[in-house]
Amino acid sequence: QVQLQQSGAELAKPGSSVKISCKASGYTFTSYDISWIKQTTGQGLEYIGYINTGSGGTYYNEKFKGKATLTVDKSSSTAFMQLSSLTPEDTAVYYCARRSLFDYWGQGVMVTVSS
Amino acid sequence: DIQLTQSPSTLPASLGERVTISCRASQSISNSLNWYQQKPDGTVKRLIYSTSTLESGVPSRFSGSGSGTDYSLSISSLESEDFAMYYCLQYATYPQTFGGGTKLELK
Repeated sequence: QVQLQQSGAELAKPGSSVKISCKASGYTFTSYDISWIKQTTGQGLEYIGYINTGSGGTYYNEKFKGKATLTVDKSSSTAFMQLSSLTPEDTAVYYCARRSLFDYWGQGVMVTVSS
Repeated sequence: DIQLTQSPSTLPASLGERVTISCRASQSISNSLNWYQQKPDGTVKRLIYSTSTLESGVPSRFSGSGSGTDYSLSISSLESEDFAMYYCLQYATYPQTFGGGTKLELK
């Protein structure tokens, strides 16, 4: 069955970076792009962007350009998202999802930014 | 960006009751709308895609309808496992956007 397994919770200091992962299984990884979504209590769900798992091509929501960097490792069927120059506003749960009409989602990763 | 206004934000309901959640878009989204259920542990599950197509394995008490800018999710007879958060998502244009969510709670 299709699964997207995300990495564990992160606690990071302001100004630092974190890299979270999303490991796919149960399907051909390069047949589906991976999207990333941010969830906060205040802003709700926000679309960050997606990565073409075959070519590595990316699309970013304007709001997240310069904040998020999406990459992929086809050999391990894993997508990554690096968040840089972290501020408390980046504290959120981050989800990966298959871009195929967002049919399958990972379990989410809590990223907490605090000094 | 297309704004999705979901209502109500909170919906108290009883077991066996029929409920409807609304999602209104700031412009026509041509049936490019999905509905999701999120449980307290964060698990997100797609219920409906393309406005009205029921996801495989989702109970038939869930249904979706709508067109243009107005869409809705209905649950015909609430069961205990249905009490959760519900979100709509539009994928007609980039960036995709989500509704603010509806918390379906036990009355």
